[in-house]
Amino acid sequence: KAGVTQTPRYLIKTRGQQVTLSCSPISGHRSVSWYQQTPGQGLQFLFEYFSETQRNKGNFPGRFSGRQFSNSRSEMNVSTLELGDSALYLCASRRTGDEQYFGPGTRLTVT
Amino acid sequence: GQNIDQPTEMTATEGAIVQINCTYQTSGFNGLFWYQQHAGEAPTFLSYNVLDGLEEKGRFSSFLSRSKGYSYLLLKELQMKDSASYLCAVRDNAGNMLTFGGGTRLMVKP
Repeated sequence: KAGVTQTPRYLIKTRGQQVTLSCSPISGHRSVSWYQQTPGQGLQFLFEYFSETQRNKGNFPGRFSGRQFSNSRSEMNVSTLELGDSALYLCASRRTGDEQYFGPGTRLTVT
Repeated sequence: GQNIDQPTEMTATEGAIVQINCTYQTSGFNGLFWYQQHAGEAPTFLSYNVLDGLEEKGRFSSFLSRSKGYSYLLLKELQMKDSASYLCAVRDNAGNMLTFGGGTRLMVKP
């Protein structure tokens, strides 16, 4: 069974731009969660989607948004990028009640 | 809210045993997870505890005491490849959201 895939793996953007990251969950997994990981703050929860609905949201500004499609694939968008948004963005999928399986992440650098 | 604490760094010797502690204060609890993360890679699942007691899985064991808000991950017969960050995470009551601790960076020396 294929694992969680994320695209792109690496991205460099300029302050003020926007970015869209993509995540394809493991087949059969309907829950997709997004996390931001930085050296200073560790792994922080962004949001979770289940059946195309946002089920939970972390403490991030409205510049961070996401969506989920009918095939469970998910995207997250960050608008008006700031230097502090430079991070590893991880996507994780799971079946209800099970542990989360993480993708390899997208490393975003904002210059 | 959730507050999860674990040591920032630990060092141990190859072949030895190391215990990584995690304490938590949460408004809801529906299980505690341990993940391993090698530098530059994604976290991988190690263990899950929802009831008090010890869960053993090969060289790795995890313990939970819900009344004390305490868990530990025990690594036996340490190998160099065990050098990684170990993340403790608590799942909320609804069973949907994971809150992670800052991670413990373990360095295994020869």
